[in-house]
Amino acid sequence: QKEVEQNSGPLSVPEGAIASLNCTYSDRGSQSFFWYRQYSGKSPELIMSIYSNGDKEDGRFTAQLNKASQYVSLLIRDSQPSDSATYLCAGTQGAQKLVFGQGTRLTINP
Amino acid sequence: EAQVTQNPRYLITVTGKKLTVTCSQNMNHEYMSWYRQDPGLGLRQIYYSMNVEVTDKGDVPEGYKVSRKEKRNFPLILESPSPNQTSLYFCASSLFSPPSGSGANVLTFGAGSRLTVL
Repeated sequence: QKEVEQNSGPLSVPEGAIASLNCTYSDRGSQSFFWYRQYSGKSPELIMSIYSNGDKEDGRFTAQLNKASQYVSLLIRDSQPSDSATYLCAGTQGAQKLVFGQGTRLTINP
Repeated sequence: EAQVTQNPRYLITVTGKKLTVTCSQNMNHEYMSWYRQDPGLGLRQIYYSMNVEVTDKGDVPEGYKVSRKEKRNFPLILESPSPNQTSLYFCASSLFSPPSGSGANVLTFGAGSRLTVL
């Protein structure tokens, strides 16, 4: 089992709707989780981090963490065409590693 | 400007011809890491370095070498490249490990190096 799993998509969402991206992880010791956005041909950039159970909101983005279920999600409200990208979920593993999922490709349709 | 610089950005080479991909950061970061990205597999860690002269294997180290003689530089060496090393490579750094979500400890990526081995 991959340590961090995502549905690779593609996920297609109409403009203005909520996009929901999901991620599960296998290492119960993982403490911190991150969502990176990667536009085609570009490098990943951090958009959200979350460390404790519950929700964390930043503008149109909400990250959710459920450590009991080993589940992380990212909600994008009022989706815009500029949100079309691949979203990478990552979790820390010990003090040395950041493990990434395979990424979910999101397309926002005007 | 704070950045991670990789070179070359694009390279086509042949099997067995040694090559080095350079990575340099100007942020005085202790932690540096190399990833490769392949379709459907996401980012996989090749090697990482916690500080000068401290390196360790990631998940896919076979066929690669690294060194960390200076804090700012972390080159990736392919001694005898093979076609299965055709990939998109990213170097990344953060102030220390593990990376976090704020300030200087955010994992910052270089622009990527697309390598093709024929």
